Amino acid sequence: GENVEQHPSTLSVQEGDSAVIKCTYSDSASNYFPWYKQELGKRPQLIIDIRSNVGEKKDQRIAVTLNKTAKHFSLHITETQPEDSAVYFCAASKNYGNKLVFGAGTILRVKS
Amino acid sequence: GAVVSQHPSWVICKSGTSVKIECRSLDFQATTMFWYRQFPKQSLMLMATSNEGSKATYEQGVEKDKFLINHASLTLSTLTVTSAHPEDSSFYICSARPEARGPANYGYTFGSGTRLTVV
Repeated sequence: GENVEQHPSTLSVQEGDSAVIKCTYSDSASNYFPWYKQELGKRPQLIIDIRSNVGEKKDQRIAVTLNKTAKHFSLHITETQPEDSAVYFCAASKNYGNKLVFGAGTILRVKS
Repeated sequence: GAVVSQHPSWVICKSGTSVKIECRSLDFQATTMFWYRQFPKQSLMLMATSNEGSKATYEQGVEKDKFLINHASLTLSTLTVTSAHPEDSSFYICSARPEARGPANYGYTFGSGTRLTVV
């Protein structure tokens, strides 16, 4: 089955700097890759997603890139702010609607 | 749109008792819902896929007789933890996804989660 690896497990950045979180997946049939932000004790919130027919997607300070050949995708957050501090999860699925397999998560700390 | 409601938000039960958790899609129909378990400082682990009108599909290692799933309608799925033990204490969270609507894609939506503590 699908396996998603996520790095780093923790990431500390200074406010205003950029943060990059990387994930790799094992199943070449996966074609939907969302990123979630989860604050302590709360539900995961979708922040951006990408399908395999595009290589990059951007939404204000957040962007996701996908390399299908290498089977990896990355989350980029620019101009980080303290409120960006949370746990971020990547995930993958075969077709939108099928089960999501999550990465282990990255604790992002933005220091002011 | 695309709201999933989950109840209760937290529950404490005695060892050996059963606990039912409800997951409702409020503004869309969900033929499929997903149940996850999340231990502290860990990722979301899929337990089972709940299918409306049919049996749930359980992930490897998840006991179907212990974690009973019922998806009786297009807007409601329930997870019952039977004969709960302290090791079942965890954060249980459901997810559903609206049908993709062209460019507008709500993605998978999660319930608010249920913190189960078995004492």
